[in-house]
Amino acid sequence: IAGITQAPTSQILAAGRRMTLRCTQDMRHNAMYWYRQDLGLGLRLIHYSNTAGTTGKGEVPDGYSVSRANTDDFPLTLASAVPSQTSVYFCASSDSGTGGADTQYFGPGTRLTVL
Amino acid sequence: GQNIDQPTEMTATEGAIVQINCTYQTSGFNGLFWYQQHAGEAPTFLSYNVLDGLEEKGRFSSFLSRSKGYSYLLLKELQMKDSASYLCAVRDSNYQLIWGAGTKLIIKP
Repeated sequence: IAGITQAPTSQILAAGRRMTLRCTQDMRHNAMYWYRQDLGLGLRLIHYSNTAGTTGKGEVPDGYSVSRANTDDFPLTLASAVPSQTSVYFCASSDSGTGGADTQYFGPGTRLTVL
Repeated sequence: GQNIDQPTEMTATEGAIVQINCTYQTSGFNGLFWYQQHAGEAPTFLSYNVLDGLEEKGRFSSFLSRSKGYSYLLLKELQMKDSASYLCAVRDSNYQLIWGAGTKLIIKP
């Protein structure tokens, strides 16, 4: 593994189903993030984690949950999917999450369609 | 509220120079980032400004004026591969990135 991987690449999901998007990084970064990207809108932060064992809510957290059991993995769960959650989901990571240049590096994304 | 404004789309000619502007109103400022995103791909980091002035990196330069809430990304000697969306993002007082909707740059031969 090099960088950040996400799975699945794409998914079509029936409304009401539960879904977990996976994200794994091998850079030993402390901070990880989940964004959604919708046409005509900027990336919007769903949840973040500044270090293993801690998580925080972003701009659009409703309907989503995350966990950070270890440094490498940061799964995003949709408990009961709705059509408005149709989007491209990007996972990102950064070294510290607390300032300086602290560049965020992105995974390849998961394209999710909820019908 | 917090707001990042960028033009939706710009067109330029191969070999020319283009300037993509970004204005922002955020709760606090802890740096401004530019990312490049090709269609169907992930955003990739281009530049970071935290102090006023110009940062140059090869064909790409980024400028910041904190007093004006303004930045631009300058791309020189445009190549066809520069056709992409360019995303401006500001780190706010909570150290979270606030993102603009992006500027789609179309390069014509």
